Amino acid sequence: DADVTQTPRNRITKTGKRIMLECSQTKGHDRMYWYRQDPGLGLRLIYYSFDVKDINKGEISDGYSVSRQAQAKFSLSLESAIPNQTALYFCATSPGTSGTYEQYFGPGTRLTVT
Amino acid sequence: GIQVEQSPPDLILQEGANSTLRCNFSDSVNNLQWFHQNPWGQLINLFYIPSGTKQNGRLSATTVATERYSLLYISSSQTTDSGVYFCAVEPWRTDKLIFGTGTRLQVFP
Repeated sequence: DADVTQTPRNRITKTGKRIMLECSQTKGHDRMYWYRQDPGLGLRLIYYSFDVKDINKGEISDGYSVSRQAQAKFSLSLESAIPNQTALYFCATSPGTSGTYEQYFGPGTRLTVT
Repeated sequence: GIQVEQSPPDLILQEGANSTLRCNFSDSVNNLQWFHQNPWGQLINLFYIPSGTKQNGRLSATTVATERYSLLYISSSQTTDSGVYFCAVEPWRTDKLIFGTGTRLQVFP
């Protein structure tokens, strides 16, 4: 089984709808991240969390919210989806222990807002 | 903020050829990773290499942190190597991974 899973893998939704993307991990990592990738570009950080009580905004947090329900679960919500939020969304985890900063990525969620 | 530049932006090779991809970054980092994004969009971890040299099969990577660059070597390329290669760095003590814009590699039989 994959260490970092994302659901759904693909989603088409309409403008104005609320949508939640979910991420689960079995790696036992404290740190979790949400990224967005637009066509032809690298990934950009939306939100990150170092534990269930610590949530931080990333580079492009406007229009998004997150919830860290447990160490293993980190959800991303679009409260009112708009077409320019059409993108590929990735969840990632990292151990966060001293000297170990490697991030591990989930398979991605392809979101289309019409 | 830190700048991450990858070169070349595009690379077209015939199967069996070797290639070198470069990543330059403008500030000190405590994390540098190389990823391969396959045509289906999945990100595959290749190397975690904030400094030094590592090898994994036909791929190897070298990071010279003092000179702020990293190189990814692909030898005897195969069509399955096609996709986009990203370098990502975490500036010192920022806890944020910054991605370059990638090198798109196409390998033809």
